[in-house]
Amino acid sequence: QVRLQESGPGLVEPSETLSLTCTVSGGSITSDYWSWIRQSPGKGLEWIGHKHYTGKADYNPSLESRVSISVDTSKNQFSLNLKFADAADTAVYYCARVVTMIRGIHTYYFDYWGQGALVTVS
Amino acid sequence: DIQMTQSPSSLSASVGDRVTISCRASQSISDYLNWYQQRPGQAPRLLIYAASTLYAGVPPRFSGSGSGTDFTLTISSLRPEDFAVYYCQHSYNVALTFGRGTTIEIK
Repeated sequence: QVRLQESGPGLVEPSETLSLTCTVSGGSITSDYWSWIRQSPGKGLEWIGHKHYTGKADYNPSLESRVSISVDTSKNQFSLNLKFADAADTAVYYCARVVTMIRGIHTYYFDYWGQGALVTVS
Repeated sequence: DIQMTQSPSSLSASVGDRVTISCRASQSISDYLNWYQQRPGQAPRLLIYAASTLYAGVPPRFSGSGSGTDFTLTISSLRPEDFAVYYCQHSYNVALTFGRGTTIEIK
């Protein structure tokens, strides 16, 4: 059973970088794509981006200029950095595994999720 | 971006009721549509992918249908643990977006 656990500061000052780490257990981080998704009352569920350990990544165009996701295979972890945080980035941040191929067809759905981490920008 | 519109935004139902939730895409997405359930205080949970394929371990009272722009999630007989928020998500292209959710409340 794959398990994911977010960790990082719960409070970030405006204009600083929001950083979170997701630790994966029960499976190898080299097997799939890994994603960050956030949820706020105002915007609902918002996909931030995902990355494969080989370096291939996709990001939400609305956040792409401020976001980077990195993968650390030695620790079985992946991380999110969101630069120039402001109050609109206050949300619960989830890490998740992405399935990107089914029966030879590209797709994207999230089958394993972390419990979520509330980050407040203030 | 492809916009996903869910209806209704909320509904009241009783245990044992048959419930249907709709999701409409702003353009055709074939069957690249997934459904999630979110209970209070929990992360979303995958129910259905590719519009109609039940994810492993999900009870068969859940079913999905549709193609193109119009999709439906049906719960054949509501159980107490099904009172939650349900989200659709398209996977037609990499700019992934979710619907705003449908809350099923206890009548």
